[in-house]
Amino acid sequence: GENVEQHPSTLSVQEGDSAVIKCTYSDSASNYFPWYKQELGKRPQLIIDIRSNVGEKKDQRIAVTLNKTAKHFSLHITETQPEDSAVYFCAASRRYEKLTFGTGTRLTIIP
Amino acid sequence: ETGVTQTPRHLVMGMTNKKSLKCEQHLGHNAMYWYKQSAKKPLELMFVYSLEERVENNSVPSRFSPECPNSSHLFLHLHTLQPEDSALYLCASSQDRTGSTEAFFGQGTRLTVV
Repeated sequence: GENVEQHPSTLSVQEGDSAVIKCTYSDSASNYFPWYKQELGKRPQLIIDIRSNVGEKKDQRIAVTLNKTAKHFSLHITETQPEDSAVYFCAASRRYEKLTFGTGTRLTIIP
Repeated sequence: ETGVTQTPRHLVMGMTNKKSLKCEQHLGHNAMYWYKQSAKKPLELMFVYSLEERVENNSVPSRFSPECPNSSHLFLHLHTLQPEDSALYLCASSQDRTGSTEAFFGQGTRLTVV
């Protein structure tokens, strides 16, 4: 089955700087890669996703890149703000199959 | 509201009690999941149901017993739990008929075993 590894487990970034979280996956047939954000006391929610036919996707300050050859994908947050503090999860799946999540990254933005 | 509802939101139970967690989704999804979230393991998959059939059981102790009577409802029956089972239990659903695998999570049940 799929195995997703996520690094780092914790990340502290000065407000205004960029943050990068990386994930690797094992199943070369995986074609869907979402990122979830979980704020303190709340449920995980999808913030951005990418499919294997695309190398990069942006949504305002958030971007995700995918390298299919190396089987890794990354989340990039630019101009970080205090509200970006949360736990971020990556995941991977094949079409019509379950998501496999990474172990999460606790991002702290330092004012 | 994401369409996935969990009840109760909070539960305190003794080690000899029997209780059940309920999850309900009205998104037309075919798959439902139970996750355990604790300080030690941020998101630990417990069970996966696809089309009401259990397709994955991640070596979960038998004191946790899932039930999926239909594609909209998922239960987690609890009995003789241990204090280390205290955690946030999250339900999620995914896989609509278009093949989209975006997962929607419930608010979770905060379980405390005393």
